[in-house]
Amino acid sequence: EAEVAQSPRYKITEKSQAVAFWCDPISGHATLYWYRQILGQGPELLVQFQDESVVDDSQLPKDRFSAERLKGVDSTLKIQPAELGDSAMYLCASSLAQNYGYTFGSGTRLTVV
Amino acid sequence: TQLLEQSPQFLSIQEGENLTVYCNSSSVFSSLQWYRQEPGEGPVLLVTVVTGGEVKKLKRLTFQFGDARKDSSLHITAAQPGDTGLYLCAGSRGTSYGKLTFGQGTILTVHP
Repeated sequence: EAEVAQSPRYKITEKSQAVAFWCDPISGHATLYWYRQILGQGPELLVQFQDESVVDDSQLPKDRFSAERLKGVDSTLKIQPAELGDSAMYLCASSLAQNYGYTFGSGTRLTVV
Repeated sequence: TQLLEQSPQFLSIQEGENLTVYCNSSSVFSSLQWYRQEPGEGPVLLVTVVTGGEVKKLKRLTFQFGDARKDSSLHITAAQPGDTGLYLCAGSRGTSYGKLTFGQGTILTVHP
């Protein structure tokens, strides 16, 4: 069964450092989402891509977060500088189009110390 | 403020018991999905409901979408330890699935 690949699975970084997460969606899936999930809460959307274009980044803290999907395939989410409050699970999901259900990756667990 | 409110937030039961998890909103959703998430993993889609009043069954799980498409419920019959996890409802507004808004989740623990 096709999967959404994310790496790394775990990341520990010091505050003020830069950190990057990578996501490879299911082949052919045009829509890609980055969500952040704080322990004990539901995921919250950070950014949504349709192919290589950003269609929703209203909840992305743009002073420190950036996301790109240059060729409309895999995507990178970057945080610079990291803050203690950024500790969370970062989930990537993809769907065939905006009308289809999501497949989530296993996530990247970020701990900022 | 959560657009989708789930209740209860925590549920701890014995194997064999029945349970119901609720997902409520003041907003109308075009569709609603239920996910199950295990620790350290991403959510896995269980079901999508799109029609008001719709009922879907998945083995021991029964999902219902409210008539007004503002609420949903998940009922589990004869719970098993393997049902333990975080259950999330997520709604999509508008005419397509599109962006999902998640509830805060219900943490279910089923004891042997």
